[in-house]
Amino acid sequence: KNEVEQSPQNLTAQEGEFITINCSYSVGISALHWLQQHPGGGIVSLFMLSSGKKKHGRLIATINIQEKHSSLHITASHPRDSAVYICAVPQGGSEKLVFGKGTKLTVNP
Amino acid sequence: DTGVSQNPRHKITKRGQNVTFRCDPISEHNRLYWYRQTLGQGPEFLTYFQNEAQLEKSRLLSDRFSAERPKGSFSTLEIQRTEQGDSAMYLCASSLMRNTGELFFGEGSRLTVL
Repeated sequence: KNEVEQSPQNLTAQEGEFITINCSYSVGISALHWLQQHPGGGIVSLFMLSSGKKKHGRLIATINIQEKHSSLHITASHPRDSAVYICAVPQGGSEKLVFGKGTKLTVNP
Repeated sequence: DTGVSQNPRHKITKRGQNVTFRCDPISEHNRLYWYRQTLGQGPEFLTYFQNEAQLEKSRLLSDRFSAERPKGSFSTLEIQRTEQGDSAMYLCASSLMRNTGELFFGEGSRLTVL
């Protein structure tokens, strides 16, 4: 079974700071998902990546397949970035995703 | 709007009642997933459909839970004889490809069992 660990669990930052959220998993995967969940429940897919790095606006996601580790970076953080960030990986050959518990980010003005 | 739609958004029910949630995926997406999320936890997989076929079902899904996707379009998740432990957010997602495909989530249906 693939185990997903995220760190930190909670993160508070000042507006403008560079943010890093980490995700480690235990079993080799084909792709990893980074998701954002705002209060109220809605989940938005940020990235799906299988190697290297992807960038979208102020968000950057990297993955190291050999080390089974991924990071999500937010540059020039803003209060609207406050949300829970979740990483998810496939469970073996199954269609199911295994989710981390999430990192709650609060960006203060 | 062509996003994933779920309803009702909120449902409060008494223990022992049956509830049904509906999910309308993005129209061209052939894969549909149901997840359950409790407070402070990440979502947990419940079941998924490829078109109208239910191809995988979690052991979390007891006999009181049933999901359907007639005609491979919308899906329903029914919980019979609800228990307080069923209180959670029920999330639906759809995708076009295998598990390497991007997932699109609905806003979720929050169930409170009194």
